[in-house]
Amino acid sequence: DGGITQSPKYLFRKEGQNVTLSCEQNLNHDAMYWYRQDPGQGLRLIYYSQIVNDFQKGDIAEGYSVSREKKESFPLTVTSAQKNPTAFYLCASTRASAMNTEAFFGQGTRLTVV
Amino acid sequence: DQQVKQNSPSLSVQEGRISILNCDYTNSMFDYFLWYKKYPAEGPTFLISISSIKDKNEDGRFTVFLNKSAKHLSLHIVPSQPGDSAVYFCAASFPKAAGNKLTFGGGTRVLVKP
Repeated sequence: DGGITQSPKYLFRKEGQNVTLSCEQNLNHDAMYWYRQDPGQGLRLIYYSQIVNDFQKGDIAEGYSVSREKKESFPLTVTSAQKNPTAFYLCASTRASAMNTEAFFGQGTRLTVV
Repeated sequence: DQQVKQNSPSLSVQEGRISILNCDYTNSMFDYFLWYKKYPAEGPTFLISISSIKDKNEDGRFTVFLNKSAKHLSLHIVPSQPGDSAVYFCAASFPKAAGNKLTFGGGTRVLVKP
């Protein structure tokens, strides 16, 4: 079955540490995205990538970094520079070449800074 | 500045009745709108969408209405079922822009009472 896999589901990090969240898709989608959700709030775009080896900052990119070395993978690193990293992180993908297409989401990773 | 707003954070409805969720947007360049449903600790799942060239789209119990002049869309769920209890997000995208990245509203939590 095609889909998006995020791992791990739960992640704990000590303050000052970097941590990397995994996102893999087998939908053959061109574009991939990272969103962040805070309690009672909507999804905010962190980074997105339309094609391998290219990515752009979203609305809240500070303190985060990404890479897109393979079409299937779009890992997100939460660095120690991110002031408030505790949140629910969602990865998504779309067929960027298609007009008006919905995004498919992974199951999310809940990151907690301890 | 929030470009997509869901002004009702929560909605309670009796099973079998209609649920009406509202969404307002500010950018007239948005041309495609989507509704997602989300359960706690899971990724959003796509429900229904509408292109700006239409004013209504229906899929089973779900109907989305778009009023471009008012920059307003709504989702009707009828009849509401207990399994519809979830958070619903409205999202909007620009024409073929940036790999179909979506701008989300803050969400409306729906509780369907048996």
